[in-house]
Amino acid sequence: QSALTQPASVSGSPGQSITISCTGTSSDVGSYNLVSWYQQHPGKAPKLMIYEGSKRPSGVSNRFSGSKSGNTASLTISGLQAEDEADYYCCSYAGSSNWVFGGGTKLTVL
Amino acid sequence: EVQLVESGGGLVQPGRSLRLSCAASGFTFDDYAMHWVRQAPGKGLEWVSGISWNSGSIGYADSVKGRFTISRDNAKNSLYLQMNSLRAEDTALYYCAKLSPAQAFDYWGQGTLVTVSS
Repeated sequence: QSALTQPASVSGSPGQSITISCTGTSSDVGSYNLVSWYQQHPGKAPKLMIYEGSKRPSGVSNRFSGSKSGNTASLTISGLQAEDEADYYCCSYAGSSNWVFGGGTKLTVL
Repeated sequence: EVQLVESGGGLVQPGRSLRLSCAASGFTFDDYAMHWVRQAPGKGLEWVSGISWNSGSIGYADSVKGRFTISRDNAKNSLYLQMNSLRAEDTALYYCAKLSPAQAFDYWGQGTLVTVSS
């Protein structure tokens, strides 16, 4: 049950696009189409942004998109806005009723 | 409106026990799997444990296996986490989270803080 690997930080200017990667193994990300992404602002509970790798819950901006290739999932945020500044976490089902999160990525909007 | 309200956190000495509760409302509790996720101060999210709708399927992170026990009472719309042999590294904000049919954590509580210290 090793944590998925995310970059510690990414940054971008307003209006730009950024991508956060999430690397797992063939036992988690690579085996299941069950990667989800969460946004967490300081002092707040996490918020679901992407599920099943690329689907957006109702109410989440279409500026957020997800994809997966092999053992790596990605979250892309286009048209960066100041309110997007937050921590982002990926999560994957890992089989046998187990789940694993990534270490988290701090997004700074310059 | 879906609500998840955790309780039971507090300051506890190493080696002691604590029981967390999560009261759910606004949805049909016994239709969904429920999970505990924790976050140590200044750190990332860590999945702790999950339980299926009928308690037939349960999972634990290696870090808590053998010490923590998850359970639920569908009649009371409640989720529990019994934590035994607590260690300093168990200090964290513990979130209760609902698992959606698409296998994502779609609702979270505000968390209850557990501090393990002598």
